[in-house]
Amino acid sequence: DAGITQSPRHKVTETGTPVTLRCHQTENHRYMYWYRQDPGHGLRLIHYSYGVKDTDKGEVSDGYSVSRSKTEDFLLTLESATSSQTSVYFCAISESPTPFGTEAFFGQGTRLTVV
Amino acid sequence: LAKTTQPISMDSYEGQEVNITCSHNNIATNDYITWYQQFPSQGPRFIIQGYKTKVTNEVASLFIPADRKSSTLSLPRVSLSDTAVYYCLAPGGKLIFGQGTELSVKP
Repeated sequence: DAGITQSPRHKVTETGTPVTLRCHQTENHRYMYWYRQDPGHGLRLIHYSYGVKDTDKGEVSDGYSVSRSKTEDFLLTLESATSSQTSVYFCAISESPTPFGTEAFFGQGTRLTVV
Repeated sequence: LAKTTQPISMDSYEGQEVNITCSHNNIATNDYITWYQQFPSQGPRFIIQGYKTKVTNEVASLFIPADRKSSTLSLPRVSLSDTAVYYCLAPGGKLIFGQGTELSVKP
């Protein structure tokens, strides 16, 4: 399995508090992604990164920010958590933004509950 | 960005062949078509990708016609453990997954 670690794996937080999820990789892949998964919506891209300090928005980026100061770490921050952000969050890595002969590898997910 | 369309759900029985078709009418010339599989409580995993004609590996086959506007994932002789969500991607720049096809295999 690809070396991807998401932390924490589970978190319960209160509405209005800031939350940061971490994705750590040991594969030295250039691209990293954050997704959320909710029933009936499949997997939706929040933000992605194509290099250190290079990030871009995905499909559902409102309410989320990201940072990538090192190749191996991609942080997802909810500045002020809301109940609508209760979800399972997945991190993924790949060697290129589109799979021209490569593939994306996913972490185990973080289950976030905002109460 | 190529938009993909696939059935929301499918049912099958053990031992049958399952074919899941995905349409991607405006796929870019250089894009590969990629399929992922996701089991409950796990992240998706890559299963197969192709550019045209047929690709086969130990898990599945992928059929892509000459016009590349659709593709068909074929799972031979499915078992209960093949119950999962299957995603078709024709990325065009971002890994956009969509809702996928929820395959349910029954005994």
